[in-house]
Amino acid sequence: AAGVIQSPRHLIKEKRETATLKCYPIPRHDTVYWYQQGPGQDPQFLISFYEKMQSDKGSIPDRFSAQQFSDYHSELNMSSLELGDSALYFCASSLSGGTNQPQHFGDGTRLSIL
Amino acid sequence: AQTVTQSQPEMSVQEAETVTLSCTYDTSESDYYLFWYKQPPSRQMILVIRQEAYKQQNATENRFSVNFQKAAKSFSLKISDSQLGDAAMYFCAYRSLHGVGGSEKLVFGKGTKLTVNP
Repeated sequence: AAGVIQSPRHLIKEKRETATLKCYPIPRHDTVYWYQQGPGQDPQFLISFYEKMQSDKGSIPDRFSAQQFSDYHSELNMSSLELGDSALYFCASSLSGGTNQPQHFGDGTRLSIL
Repeated sequence: AQTVTQSQPEMSVQEAETVTLSCTYDTSESDYYLFWYKQPPSRQMILVIRQEAYKQQNATENRFSVNFQKAAKSFSLKISDSQLGDAAMYFCAYRSLHGVGGSEKLVFGKGTKLTVNP
């Protein structure tokens, strides 16, 4: 079965650089969630999209932005990177609308800031 | 806002034995979902089991079962016949039931690291 695809798997950047993370949801899933998991931490919700519109926002820095495209893939854009941005970034997709469908996670992108 | 608490940072179990991981949560909602996710060293987030709060029957998935106590806001995970492959970080998570599209984010606990000893 198709799963959530995230790219790249690993990304190394320096301070003040920019990064773009990509997420391709499971086909027919209409909702995408982004989570940030710092070292030894639990995943924290950043932002979500439903039918290509931003639907909820969590603890996402102003330096980050995201969007969902017409093909439902999503991109998380990160600028002025800081050491504290080093983390595992997960994308998850689901069918929304009050169903009990769980969120399916991608394998994550490991972002390291030097 | 909802919160999820896992009071056991680390647990260990002997292979083939049973272990229970604790989770409590706080919410003012009456309907919601609860989940246990497993994160092995490979770092994937794997759904282990889920429970709908409106269902009184505890969920079971093979060797994994939950003890859901709604009044006590408790949601523990029992792993029977533990296997070496069960070693991982386990996260308890909460999700609202009646959120509109895209607002059904997961709220995670801090996790419990499970070690399985041969």
